[in-house]
Amino acid sequence: EIVMTQSPATLSVSPGERATLSCRASQSVSSNLAWYQQKPGQAPRLLIYGASTRATGIPARFTGSGSGTEFTLTISSLQSEDFAVYYCQQYNNWPPYTFGQGTKLEIK
Amino acid sequence: QVQLQESGPGLVKPSQTLSLTCTVSGGSISSGGYYWNWIRQPAGKGLEWIGLIYTSGSTNYNPSLKSRVTISLDTSKNQFSLKLSSVTAADTAVYYCAGELAIGRFDPWGQGTLVTVSS
Repeated sequence: EIVMTQSPATLSVSPGERATLSCRASQSVSSNLAWYQQKPGQAPRLLIYGASTRATGIPARFTGSGSGTEFTLTISSLQSEDFAVYYCQQYNNWPPYTFGQGTKLEIK
Repeated sequence: QVQLQESGPGLVKPSQTLSLTCTVSGGSISSGGYYWNWIRQPAGKGLEWIGLIYTSGSTNYNPSLKSRVTISLDTSKNQFSLKLSSVTAADTAVYYCAGELAIGRFDPWGQGTLVTVSS
């Protein structure tokens, strides 16, 4: 099973600034990586797939990058609605699909 | 667009079987090109993939749960279901159903349903 490790666990950033979230895989997942956003009491929402392709309706301020074992989600110019928990997920070696433990993005 | 809604008991006794149903609306469960998944999330924790069912009826399960999980499809009702046997408190979680239009891409999701395992 591939283990996904996200860092940091909590990230404090001011609105309007840039946030950079990291995700590391225990072995290469190529570009088969997705990012999800989850707000309290809601289901996760797909943001990015294929490591860098934005899902339908996702604003351009969300950018995914990386391949192999190291991935980054960058959110430029943070809006109030962006403060949430973010999960990465690999789908290269499955079953099982595996998720990271999440990064909580909070207002500084 | 396709929408999903979970339903089922919110409380299950230890050692019993957890049963949930996901109703698909806005499209046919058998012809929309989706794979149908169950994912769970214990309170305050991360996401765990449980398994999926293809429209053919074939399944894939998380090896850690495989011995206890059954996912099935009811095309006449546009629903798919999850059964998890011999539950313990560790199975207490919000359970989500999700569509998978391409490998590994979970979208859309249901709103989730909390299942508590307690006597």
